[in-house]
Amino acid sequence: ETGVTQTPRHLVMGMTNKKSLKCEQHLGHNAMYWYKQSAKKPLELMFVYNFKEQTENNSVPSRFSPECPNSSHLFLHLHTLQPEDSALYLCASSQELLATDTQYFGPGTRLTVL
Amino acid sequence: QQQVKQSPQSLIVQKGGISIINCAYENTAFDYFPWYQQFPGKGPALLIAIRPDVSEKKEGRFTISFNKSAKQFSLHIMDSQPGDSATYFCAASSNDYKLSFGAGTTVTVRA
Repeated sequence: ETGVTQTPRHLVMGMTNKKSLKCEQHLGHNAMYWYKQSAKKPLELMFVYNFKEQTENNSVPSRFSPECPNSSHLFLHLHTLQPEDSALYLCASSQELLATDTQYFGPGTRLTVL
Repeated sequence: QQQVKQSPQSLIVQKGGISIINCAYENTAFDYFPWYQQFPGKGPALLIAIRPDVSEKKEGRFTISFNKSAKQFSLHIMDSQPGDSATYFCAASSNDYKLSFGAGTTVTVRA
């Protein structure tokens, strides 16, 4: 596998469920990101990790909990979500934590909260 | 507060025509302006980027025009092809890793 992969691609969950999104990058990058993409809105940066250390939590509600066990893997743990959390969740990685370093995105997980 | 405003929200162009997408910003500290292209079912991918020391950058049929005094930049897609049908996002950054994205423009190229 190459690039950035995300699983699952689609997820439907109830408001009381607990689920996790997984991201894996095969590019040898040091920085990883979680974004939320809602229709007709700008991408929202949620979390940033650099060398496994969290460097950004963009005022994200605690019902979203990230985990980065190593530089290649990133998880987003979900619990007691709200219907307004339904969106496409994108993972990205870049070589270094610089804006001029190209961010490579995965295909996303389409999340629906019932 | 949206830092980068993008327009139009969508556009339809005939094959061979020119697609033009505009973005405006307020933060004068922005010094890096990438454009991303996203196809359905895929994540965004970097298309082309510009720094404010140049007024234009061209890569194939894609050109970025940059107007620093007006705080505006635009993407022109020349000789638009059906394969260019996608959503395009402008973005901006100020010397750190955070990208402020526009809301996106869905381009449809009719054959």
